[in-house]
Amino acid sequence: DAGITQSPRHKVTETGTPVTLRCHQTENHRYMYWYRQDPGHGLRLIHYSYGVKDTDKGEVSDGYSVSRSKTEDFLLTLESATSSQTSVYFCAISEWQGRNEQYFGPGTRLTVT
Amino acid sequence: AQSVTQLDSHVSVSEGTPVLLRCNYSSSYSPSLFWYVQHPNKGLQLLLKYTSAATLVKGINGFEAEFKKSETSFHLTKPSAHMSDAAEYFCVVSEGGNSGYALNFGKGTSLLVTP
Repeated sequence: DAGITQSPRHKVTETGTPVTLRCHQTENHRYMYWYRQDPGHGLRLIHYSYGVKDTDKGEVSDGYSVSRSKTEDFLLTLESATSSQTSVYFCAISEWQGRNEQYFGPGTRLTVT
Repeated sequence: AQSVTQLDSHVSVSEGTPVLLRCNYSSSYSPSLFWYVQHPNKGLQLLLKYTSAATLVKGINGFEAEFKKSETSFHLTKPSAHMSDAAEYFCVVSEGGNSGYALNFGKGTSLLVTP
């Protein structure tokens, strides 16, 4: 399995609080992605990174920000959590964008009450 | 623009019988196509991928898929289902060019395997 860890694995938080999820990889892959998974929607891209300090928005980026200060770490921040952000969040990595396959972390289950 | 449609949200088969999970895609360019599997409360695992080499692609655990450009399909098959195959399966498309930065997921097909 690709060396990808996510922390925390589970979190319950209250509406309006900031939340940061961490993705850590040991594969030295250039590209990292954050997805959310919701029933009936498959996975949807939130943000992605194509290098240290290089990030861009995905399909559902509103209310989220990201940072990548090191190759191995990609942080996802919910600036002010809302109930609509209750979801399972997956981090993924790939060696290069586009056609190459992505490898996924175990996921973080976030509940916003 | 690229997208995938998984034609069945649920499929039920008996153990030992063939599995067919259907996927149609649309893509402006020559796409890469993938099947991922997700077991309950787990992450996603790559089953197989097509990247313009052979049109019949073999994956892990006895699964295979055939790329048919004329039908814009990439159906997943397995000759004989096992109980451990029960999971959610996602068909995924990625294409080069301006939109190639991410995978585009279908909504998933839940496979139930009965004894």
